[in-house]
Amino acid sequence: NAGVTQTPKFQVLKTGQSMTLQCAQDMNHNSMYWYRQDPGMGLRLIYYSASEGTTDKGEVPNGYNVSRLNKREFSLRLESAAPSQTSVYFCASRGLAGGPGETQYFGPGTRLLVL
Amino acid sequence: SQQGEEDPQALSIQEGENATMNCSYKTSINNLQWYRQNSGRGLVHLILIRSNEREKHSGRLRVTLDTSKKSSSLLITASRAADTASYFCATHQGGSEKLVFGKGMKLTVNP
Repeated sequence: NAGVTQTPKFQVLKTGQSMTLQCAQDMNHNSMYWYRQDPGMGLRLIYYSASEGTTDKGEVPNGYNVSRLNKREFSLRLESAAPSQTSVYFCASRGLAGGPGETQYFGPGTRLLVL
Repeated sequence: SQQGEEDPQALSIQEGENATMNCSYKTSINNLQWYRQNSGRGLVHLILIRSNEREKHSGRLRVTLDTSKKSSSLLITASRAADTASYFCATHQGGSEKLVFGKGMKLTVNP
């Protein structure tokens, strides 16, 4: 049981390049989330998916797109990377028990540097 | 927008001492959670306390919640060097999928 996995672990992009961050969970969770973490800012929600087939914007969605490929996988795409998107990106998931707002399980993160 | 604010922002103590971290928030909540993040790692859930609970224990962790003051505290007793990490509070408001995280507090436990 690997929990939440993310690939890649680290990526360097040039301004304007695109990339997709991958996330998968093997806990049969319905809800999945993408956050970014910046120094002194805590975690900010980018997008989330409450169930397979649905996605919703979080606090900072501009410049990102997401795809809930199936129940296991939730990807985050940067179409045209900007230096302001340099950050650490975390994927998380939550099971059904207890409903929205219950415990989230986090992946190890992807460190992205945009030059 | 940030809901929770941890205080202090950094704390350095000796092994064996107790560590207390505080979190204040602004709006009504369903629950409040504490997470730990070791350097270079993802967040790990520690404990969840609901709005109708006042105190909760888990091992060496004790969490209190005062909804009238919109604040929570996390107490780690008999701290260990392995407790060195950043600690975040996160709040959940009803009718939403979202958790709102504070900016975090860095705890250093010196051996």
